[in-house]
Amino acid sequence: QLQLQESGPGLVKPSETLSLTCTVSGGSINSKSYYGAWVRQPPGKGLEWIGSIYYSGITYFNPSLESRITMSVDKSKNQFSLRLSSVTAADTAVYYCARLGATSGKYFFDSWGQGTLVTVSS
Amino acid sequence: SYELTQLPSVSVSPGQAASITCSGDKLGEKLACWYQKRPGQSPVLVIYQDDKRPSGIPERFSGAKSGNTATLTISGTQAMDEADYYCQAWDSSTVVFGGGTKLTVL
Repeated sequence: QLQLQESGPGLVKPSETLSLTCTVSGGSINSKSYYGAWVRQPPGKGLEWIGSIYYSGITYFNPSLESRITMSVDKSKNQFSLRLSSVTAADTAVYYCARLGATSGKYFFDSWGQGTLVTVSS
Repeated sequence: SYELTQLPSVSVSPGQAASITCSGDKLGEKLACWYQKRPGQSPVLVIYQDDKRPSGIPERFSGAKSGNTATLTISGTQAMDEADYYCQAWDSSTVVFGGGTKLTVL
């Protein structure tokens, strides 16, 4: 059974860079059928897609965050990562990694990590 | 940018049917899916490709689409169905979520 697990600091200072890693087990990240993706939910707010990365390294980002996002994939470790720069309190959220279908008609999330709370505060 | 619109809240009595809608420009030409999100838990896919139910999702969950509006219906709503529900679609290589609907089972 596919499992995804987020890891990274739970506290980040304003203006610094948030870094998270998603480790995938029970399946390979080296798949043409799926993207790795990040979704976040600020306290009291809705779900927000951050971005997606294909096994080849091709990325797609939320236009509202694009200038601050870097995503990468490490196939040898079955991991993908997110870096969000110049964070503010508005970036405080539960961050989820998830698997997103990459073929026509399958652009939905079928597996999710448990989520990790990242707080931006000095 | 593409937007999906949901009502903020819906209330239903136990045992009754709950309908949650999601509308968007040209949504009729796209595929919609739905997630259930309980506090402190990860989202769960309950409907994909407009009307398909993943394995393990109770039959009381169903999806439909008419024109540019997708609808999630929960028949015989139970207290455990109280949650936030989000629709999602794919547009120009980006993922779009609706704003979410809080379902209250009174």
